Order: sequence, then structure tokens, then C-alpha cells
Amino acid sequence: ILNVEQSPQSLHVQEGDSTNFTCSFPSSNFYALHWYRWETAKSPEALFVMTLNGDEKKKGRISATLNTKEGYSYLYIKGSQPEDSATYLCALRGGGSNYKLTFGKGTLLTVNP
Amino acid sequence: DTGVSQDPRHKITKRGQNVTFRCDPISEHNRLYWYRQTLGQGPEFLTYFQNEAQLEKSRLLSDRFSAERPKGSFSTLEIQRTEQGDSAMYLCASSLGRGYTEAFFGQGTRLTVV
Repeated sequence: ILNVEQSPQSLHVQEGDSTNFTCSFPSSNFYALHWYRWETAKSPEALFVMTLNGDEKKKGRISATLNTKEGYSYLYIKGSQPEDSATYLCALRGGGSNYKLTFGKGTLLTVNP
Repeated sequence: DTGVSQDPRHKITKRGQNVTFRCDPISEHNRLYWYRQTLGQGPEFLTYFQNEAQLEKSRLLSDRFSAERPKGSFSTLEIQRTEQGDSAMYLCASSLGRGYTEAFFGQGTRLTVV
């Protein structure tokens, strides 16, 4: 059983603040790490798929890093905006022919105007 | 709309009734997944199809649950004799059949068993 942990569980920031969250996962049997943003009443939206140790990916004000040797990924949001309010989920795909994702519980971000 | 669509969006049912949900994946995607999310948890894997073949089922999927994907197109998830513990958001996702491609999710079906 793969155990994916996310912290913090929830976070309140002011508009303009920068913030970051952590996703921890077992470093053995790693294949890929996915980040999703899930806004209320919408579909989870894929942000990044990360596969290589040291990967850094960026989409607008959001970026992510990956360390597969120590088993963690960070998601950064620069200059948070109220529209960034959402639950941010990370999910691990393990090795082998198993394509399922094992999700963490998510970090609920609230950005206050 | 070319995304993953799920129907219905909400379902309220009485305990003991059967319910069926439908998922239409993105048309060229040959992999289809069902997940369930309960309050305070991340989505949990239920089952996975590659084309019409159901390749894996989670131990979470009791014998009251059955999923099909006839002809490798849309999929249905049926829950028989629903229990209050079945109340959850049921999410469907699809992906291409190669590499590190991301899975695209539908908006989910919110099931409430009363």
C-alpha cells in the first residue's frame, strides 16, 4: 500500500502572499508524481506530471519540484490570488503495469482578498 | 465539450436501492478509471479499464459494486443494495494508453444514501 502524505491540511493566506505545500511519498517503486487542483463543483484539473528526480515545472504563478530520492515534492504559488482557492492534490503512480493513482488527502488553500 | 462527462451529477437514493452512474471518457482515451472520494479523504482508486477489459479492482470494491465498459467506450458503475457508507463523490477519469500522460477527470457524481 502506497502512503501519500500532504501538508498542511489547510492554509489561509492573504492575496499577494506566496505559499507552498508538501507532498511526501515512498521513494521506492516511484513512477510519476501528479499534481491536481480541485475547485468546488469542478473537475480536478491536472497541473503537472513529474517523473525525474530534480524536475522543476512551472505554469504561470504555480511551480513544482520533485525529489524522488527522499520522496517529496513541493508546490509553490507566487502572489496568491482569490481564484487560486482550491484543494491541491498530489498523486503517486507506482511502477509496474499498474496505472492507478494513489492520492494524498489534499491541501485546502483559501486566499482572502 | 470534449472532456470527461459523468451523469448524473447528484443522486439521492434510499438505502437498499440500486444506483447506476455513467462516465463518457475523452474519445481517444483507452484507459478509464473510477475513484471514490469521501469527506476529508483524497480520491481512492476503485477500478481500471484498458479498452473494454477491466484490469484491476480495488479491495474497496465489494461484491455490491460492478463496473462495465462495453466496447471500450463509456463506462457504468452500479451499486446494488446501497448502504449509507456508500455516500461519496464518485469520480471517473480517462487517459491515453502510453507513458506519463495525465488522467483527465470528470466532475463526479455525488451520491447520498438516506
